Amino acid sequence: GQNIDQPTEMTATEGAIVQINCTYQTSGFNGLFWYQQHAGEAPTFLSYNVLDGLEEKGRFSSFLSRSKGYSYLLLKELQMKDSASYLCAVEDSNYQLIWGAGTKLIIKP
Amino acid sequence: IAGITQAPTSQILAAGRRMTLRCTQDMRHNAMYWYRQDLGLGLRLIHYSNTAGTTGKGEVPDGYSVSRANTDDFPLTLASAVPSQTSVYFCASSAHSLAGGGNEQFFGPGTRLTVL
Repeated sequence: GQNIDQPTEMTATEGAIVQINCTYQTSGFNGLFWYQQHAGEAPTFLSYNVLDGLEEKGRFSSFLSRSKGYSYLLLKELQMKDSASYLCAVEDSNYQLIWGAGTKLIIKP
Repeated sequence: IAGITQAPTSQILAAGRRMTLRCTQDMRHNAMYWYRQDLGLGLRLIHYSNTAGTTGKGEVPDGYSVSRANTDDFPLTLASAVPSQTSVYFCASSAHSLAGGGNEQFFGPGTRLTVL
């Protein structure tokens, strides 16, 4: 079966750094996406990785290791507005996105 | 219109009633998708359309139908609603249905549906 695992909830302090992990087992791999979803809102795109390594975009970075079936999202200089759920999704061999349940990130002052 | 719109925003429906959720995008995207999101579960694909005139079944298609008569619109119909269809429904679109950096999915604001 296809499976995406990520922690249910994490807590971090404003100004700190947090790493959200995602492991996956899917039928095929055509890329991994991270989305941000604030409570009561729609998911919005953060990053896309298809090759191994780190992709940096401002305060957010995403890492991929295809051989390990592993990715992480790194958030630096945390701000209160970063309180949200972070969704990991893998594009499988049928070009469909398989979604993790999401990680709720709580930022404390 | 900018992006994707969905209607209604929320709805309370009696079990057994028929309901159509509307979705319209103005980005001329080829691919469109319907997901449901339930607490503790990831987004689950209900139906999709790779291009106007074609549709396909996702992970959880039972009890739902879709049509894609044109590029912009992708309505989702519940023929006879049941309480287990209580959920938040998101419509999404992408430029195309193939892998690549351009396959980012854009989401509508969602419809919160309660079936009693």
